[in-house]
Amino acid sequence: SQQGEEDPQALSIQEGENATMNCSYKTSINNLQWYRQNSGRGLVHLILIRSNEREKHSGRLRVTLDTSKKSSSLLITASRAADTASYFCATETGGGNKLTFGTGTQLKVEL
Amino acid sequence: NAGVTQTPKFQVLKTGQSMTLQCAQDMNHEYMSWYRQDPGMGLRLIHYSVGAGITDQGEVPNGYNVSRSTTEDFPLRLLSAAPSQTSVYFCASSLRDGKFEKLFFGSGTQLSVL
Repeated sequence: SQQGEEDPQALSIQEGENATMNCSYKTSINNLQWYRQNSGRGLVHLILIRSNEREKHSGRLRVTLDTSKKSSSLLITASRAADTASYFCATETGGGNKLTFGTGTQLKVEL
Repeated sequence: NAGVTQTPKFQVLKTGQSMTLQCAQDMNHEYMSWYRQDPGMGLRLIHYSVGAGITDQGEVPNGYNVSRSTTEDFPLRLLSAAPSQTSVYFCASSLRDGKFEKLFFGSGTQLSVL
């Protein structure tokens, strides 16, 4: 069964705008990670946030984690056309590196 | 470093045929795994390995076998392909040392079973 569910399923914005994607999960986690997938390619790791962290930044990315609500959000600021991709959250729950992925958000950034 | 290399990139099989999807990494990663990606379902874990000689099942292991004879290689075998195994398959690896490490993914194998 899916652990993470992203919302929205699809998002279309203009270049320069901010994009926010949300992820909800069902069980307690050790960490939550966000990945990007360009069309026809493998996934690329973006950022990892541990269960004892509430917010993390990496360049134009900002991730928040609310363990009480079992949810996370990914904010991409000042989006670019090159940010067009699918974004997945993944949770690690049982130790080791077995990640459970959500269904993804398709982001389209238009010029 | 090449990272995680998957072969072939595309494959068409007939129902009942067998084949092996290859995965190799040159980063000396202990952990390797196979996922399948289907539309609207995200990625689902098939099998994983925490080191040479050690493998375990993931969420959807039925119809697939794996082995890990070396640190570098983690092949996925389909013994008797079925149309339900039509999917995109990704191999991923990471360090594993009591830490939570990011996964490095290969570029995928698109498999069609007719």
